[in-house]
Amino acid sequence: QSVLTQPPSASGTPGQRVTISCSGSNSNIGINYIFWYQQLPGTAPKLLIQKNNQRPSGVPDRFSGSKSGTSASLAISGLRSEDEADYYCAAWDDSLSGQHWVFGGGTKLTVL
Amino acid sequence: QITLKESGPTLVKPTQTLTLTCTLSGFSLRTTGVGVGWIRQPPGKALEWLALIYWDDDKRYSPSLKNRLTITKDTSKNQVVLTMTNMDPVDTATYYCAHRPDLGAFDVWGQGTMVIVSS
Repeated sequence: QSVLTQPPSASGTPGQRVTISCSGSNSNIGINYIFWYQQLPGTAPKLLIQKNNQRPSGVPDRFSGSKSGTSASLAISGLRSEDEADYYCAAWDDSLSGQHWVFGGGTKLTVL
Repeated sequence: QITLKESGPTLVKPTQTLTLTCTLSGFSLRTTGVGVGWIRQPPGKALEWLALIYWDDDKRYSPSLKNRLTITKDTSKNQVVLTMTNMDPVDTATYYCAHRPDLGAFDVWGQGTMVIVSS
């Protein structure tokens, strides 16, 4: 059971806009940045969104992130077939059990 | 260009200790704020963060695995080593090491190394 909760799957058709949610708590998303990763089949995760809504160099502006309270969202506009991948959210967690990173359970995005 | 490469055994037996090495290139763990972390992913499952070591030798561990994990660094060799004791088949996974910049998340990942736990 992951600390951050994501829907297991999402889908859309080419050109559509899809959003993926990530729900946490006051010890992680509520007080720290959220980060998003894209993992293409058979490859290592790639940092997609950092510090809630910043795109690292080279990430298309079709990808955007937002955060509100203890939840966050990743939006992908102008969906393309190459966006079919697993997406993970991550955050630093400051809890009684100590400081540590937590990941979401991942969302498999299918482009129909 | 920052790169990381994991190395270690592909197969370990239950109850054995796993030792993985991450060799760093393009950056130094002497740089203030920098860290290197380990993350694993069982086949078909989600990412799970394991441990993180900072430039100043501060360390953080997954609360659920901290009793089994040790992370160390050798800055002269540009390496970070993760040991995990008492391996079990459920620890079968791809193990990644990743660069963590100051105040950021893991921005550059190694290719990963698959570890199978089986007798």
